[in-house]
Amino acid sequence: AQTVTQSQPEMSVQEAETVTLSCTYDTSESNYYLFWYKQPPSRQMILVIRQEAYKQQNATENRFSVNFQKAAKSFSLKISDSQLGDTAMYFCAFEDNDMRFGAGTRLTVKP
Amino acid sequence: DVKVTQSSRYLVKRTGEKVFLECVQDMDHENMFWYRQDPGLGLRLIYFSYDVKMKEKGDIPEGYSVSREKKERFSLILESASTNQTSMYLCASRLALGSGTGELFFGEGSRLTVL
Repeated sequence: AQTVTQSQPEMSVQEAETVTLSCTYDTSESNYYLFWYKQPPSRQMILVIRQEAYKQQNATENRFSVNFQKAAKSFSLKISDSQLGDTAMYFCAFEDNDMRFGAGTRLTVKP
Repeated sequence: DVKVTQSSRYLVKRTGEKVFLECVQDMDHENMFWYRQDPGLGLRLIYFSYDVKMKEKGDIPEGYSVSREKKERFSLILESASTNQTSMYLCASRLALGSGTGELFFGEGSRLTVL
């Protein structure tokens, strides 16, 4: 089975600054999808951003962008202009037939 | 809005009890999932279902079973609850693989405590 590794259990950032969350994965597949999900303290998990492996262009959604390095099997999330509402658990996920998640990174945005 | 509803937000059960966790989605999704979430371990896949009456084991199926008699409902069953099954359980659904964006839609979670 594919594995997803998030090596940063906790991170913090000052409001308005930029932070990068790391994710690596392991797979023998050539075509797959990668996701970042956010789980705010209210617990409902929501999608932040999605990347298709066959696309070389990094995905961007407003203040959220990814740095996808296929050869290195790395998929990091950059949050620009951090806001207090970005405080949450962030999970990296890999989709093959099912969906596998990393252990998560707890991000705190400080005022 | 799409919606995944889990029947109970909080449950407290005794060791040895049979526990049912229910999940219903209103999006006509083919695939449904059950995960458990524990601090430091992230989300671990228990079971998933491609379609009605179909199921596949995930990474940690031991001590659990599932039922999917109707497309919209996916139930997780703990045949004999044990204290190590105390956890947050998350249900999710998505369109069939290859359809749509692959995005999972999650319920709010069920916090189970086994005493």
